[in-house]
Amino acid sequence: DGGITQSPKYLFRKEGQNVTLSCEQNLNHDAMYWYRQDPGQGLRLIYYSQIVNDFQKGDIAEGYSVSREKKESFPLTVTSAQKNPTAFYLCASSIRTAGNTIYFGEGSWLTVV
Amino acid sequence: AQSVTQPDIHITVSEGASLELRCNYSYGATPYLFWYVQSPGQGLQLLLKYFSGDTLVQGIKGFEAEFKRSQSSFNLRKPSVHWSDAAEYFCAVGVNTGTASKLTFGTGTRLQVTL
Repeated sequence: DGGITQSPKYLFRKEGQNVTLSCEQNLNHDAMYWYRQDPGQGLRLIYYSQIVNDFQKGDIAEGYSVSREKKESFPLTVTSAQKNPTAFYLCASSIRTAGNTIYFGEGSWLTVV
Repeated sequence: AQSVTQPDIHITVSEGASLELRCNYSYGATPYLFWYVQSPGQGLQLLLKYFSGDTLVQGIKGFEAEFKRSQSSFNLRKPSVHWSDAAEYFCAVGVNTGTASKLTFGTGTRLQVTL
């Protein structure tokens, strides 16, 4: 089935450690996104990528890094520089047309212990 | 910069009653508007979107929304709510940046349905 796969679903990290969240899509979408969700704050854009080997910062990029080496993959690394990393992370993708719909994965829970 | 306001944090309705969730946006040009639904611990599912044309938009699960430019609103409605509609609902405004679409979300409205 076509869709967006995020892994792992649940992840625990010790303070000071980097962690990478995986996002894979088989929808043949050019654009991919990472959002962070905190209770009462809706979703906020971390990074997005329009094409392979290119990405742009979103509204809250500090403490995060991404790569886009393949069209179908857009991993997110939460670095030790991110002060409040505990959150629900959502990956998404879309096609390259105006008014395009963004489709979301099932999300990954990251907890810092 | 664009913004979205969902003034109701939490709404409770009885099963079978009608529903209206409010959404107001701020954006200088014609917006792309979306409503998504999220069940606890899950991703977001698109209910409907407004791109252009008819201002009354039909979506999945019996939902509809009306774009009112004069009021900068895009309220979501359903004539008869089912218990399975209990979830969190997000309104979003989309801005195209080249070939990507940046979404700005509201803070969400949690819907509770009583039997």
